[in-house]
Amino acid sequence: AQKVTQAQTEISVVEKEDVTLDCVYETRDTTYYLFWYKQPPSGELVFLIRRNSFDEQNEISGRYSWNFQKSTSSFNFTITASQVVDSAVYFCALSNDYKLSFGAGTTVTVRA
Amino acid sequence: DTGVSQNPRHKITKRGQNVTFRCDPISEHNRLYWYRQTLGQGPEFLTYFQNEAQLEKSRLLSDRFSAERPKGSFSTLEIQRTEQGDSAMYLCASSFEGFNGYTFGSGTRLTVV
Repeated sequence: AQKVTQAQTEISVVEKEDVTLDCVYETRDTTYYLFWYKQPPSGELVFLIRRNSFDEQNEISGRYSWNFQKSTSSFNFTITASQVVDSAVYFCALSNDYKLSFGAGTTVTVRA
Repeated sequence: DTGVSQNPRHKITKRGQNVTFRCDPISEHNRLYWYRQTLGQGPEFLTYFQNEAQLEKSRLLSDRFSAERPKGSFSTLEIQRTEQGDSAMYLCASSFEGFNGYTFGSGTRLTVV
């Protein structure tokens, strides 16, 4: 069985602060994919980043960066210099093929 | 192609009524998925199609739920004899075979009163 845990329910920051979202996952598969999605109030799930289990290289993409550590089964996500438009629910998800298992989400509120 | 389209966006129905939702995937995608999301939770997998074949159904999909994808294009999700517990956001997504991530639609929010 696959499980994703997002321990942070809500995070509130002031604009321009950095925000780090935690994600811990459980899987018995050796090959899997990890994702972060954003869900603004409109409801659509927006794909942000994807990593496969063989690539632990951490990268930065614009204001987004991630820290993937297989040893601790964690896949944390950081928004640098947050903006009001970043306010949304963020979901971490795990997949071994076609099926995504989502965490419960973290609500991020960025105040001006 | 403007992405995955779902209709209607909102549906309010009385308990016991039947409802049907439609999903139009990205035309090149051969896989189509349905998820359900209740308030404060992440989406949960319901079922998926590869072309017109329904390959997996979650145990969340009771016998009151049925999904079809005729001709491997659009899909419909029908809920018969709706119950208040069916109130949720129903999300559709599509992808290519050889999983590289989904594109999700905006969802259909169902409220059963």
